[in-house]
Amino acid sequence: GAVVSQHPSRVICKSGTSVKIECRSLDFQATTMFWYRQFPKQSLMLMATSNEGSKATYEQGVEKDKFLINHASLTLSTLTVTSAHPEDSSFYICSASNAGGVPQHFGDGTRLSIL
Amino acid sequence: SQQGEEDPQALSIQEGENATMNCSYKTSINNLQWYRQNSGRGLVHLILIRSNEREKHSGRLRVTLDTSKKSSSLLITASRAADTASYFCATASTGAGSYQLTFGKGTKLSVIP
Repeated sequence: GAVVSQHPSRVICKSGTSVKIECRSLDFQATTMFWYRQFPKQSLMLMATSNEGSKATYEQGVEKDKFLINHASLTLSTLTVTSAHPEDSSFYICSASNAGGVPQHFGDGTRLSIL
Repeated sequence: SQQGEEDPQALSIQEGENATMNCSYKTSINNLQWYRQNSGRGLVHLILIRSNEREKHSGRLRVTLDTSKKSSSLLITASRAADTASYFCATASTGAGSYQLTFGKGTKLSVIP
């Protein structure tokens, strides 16, 4: 099946640090990539949708200057959490889909802990 | 707000029993999907049912969809300890952005050996 690799799996860093998370589709061209945030024991909240070569579309309430998304190729999207603070600590998950859109293939997530 | 709402929130059963999870949603959908998430991991797509379908099977999984009630159910038959995970329904809405998914809160299933 389709494979999406997300890296790193865990990050622990100091407040004020910027953190970059990579999401790669390994065996298919990901026309669209999605970034989600998941709090403990809760569901996934869509943060933004990105299409290759264009600006990401952010969901209401998500600060685009805080969460920078780049989708420069059909196999790579990055999420940069700028000047991270403890409230940004969460589990971030990416997913990717091809032109058909269904289904979404998920990475294994990144556990971000800001001290 | 969350589109899908699963119930129960948590379910504990003995190995070999069947597990049924329900999902309700609020708006018109193009399709409804079920995903599984092991603790601390990403999601794995299990099954998709389109809005014009009523029932679908895949191995030990059976999904139903009732668009008049805006609800779906996931049945796992002959459960195994390895089925222990959280299960989420996700809806894809009609119209623009139909590829976006809205997830429910999930059901945490524990299968006791």
